[in-house]
Amino acid sequence: DVKVTQSSRYLVKRTGEKVFLECVQDMDHENMFWYRQDPGLGLRLIYFSYDVKMKEKGDIPEGYSVSREKKERFSLILESASTNQTSMYLCASTMDGASNQPQHFGDGTRLSIL
Amino acid sequence: GEDVEQSLFLSVREGDSSVINCTYTDSSSTYLYWYKQEPGAGLQLLTYIFSNMDMKQDQRLTVLLNKKDKHLSLRIADTQTGDSAIYFCALPFGSSNTGKLIFGQGTTLQVKP
Repeated sequence: DVKVTQSSRYLVKRTGEKVFLECVQDMDHENMFWYRQDPGLGLRLIYFSYDVKMKEKGDIPEGYSVSREKKERFSLILESASTNQTSMYLCASTMDGASNQPQHFGDGTRLSIL
Repeated sequence: GEDVEQSLFLSVREGDSSVINCTYTDSSSTYLYWYKQEPGAGLQLLTYIFSNMDMKQDQRLTVLLNKKDKHLSLRIADTQTGDSAIYFCALPFGSSNTGKLIFGQGTTLQVKP
């Protein structure tokens, strides 16, 4: 079974802090994704990566950056956290883009910015 | 652009059947997915259907696909309290080979004892 692990289930940070959310997958997947989930809005894609050091913006990249230095790890960075970034953050991975394989998700990080 | 729509809430009694509906605009998808999210957890792949199929059955789950109307549904037979969750339909995003999915807003299924 694919295992996608997010480093924290719950995180509380202060406005203006730099925040790192970590995600690791163990199935040698090419593609990795970061979403945020808010009530009534479903999942919105922040960034995704299709290879090491390769990244593309999703629908809502403002205020976020990402890092993919190793294939198994995809980090989401909040450069200067703000209260409107309080949300549930979900990481996902998939084998590659061509095979129409499903995405596999981590358990999520519930982030609160005070 | 692509759009996926779901109703936000469904309430059923334990033992009844639940039907969760999804409509979409992009017709080029090869696979269409249903995910389940239990409270406080991530999304778990529940089932999927290939676009050349009309129906797929997997134990208590039945997926129906009407390509002409661009309508996907998930039927849960004999709904149990453990089925209470948010259900998302998801489709590959357009024709790009990125592995991206577009998700519906999610339907919260409430099962009353």
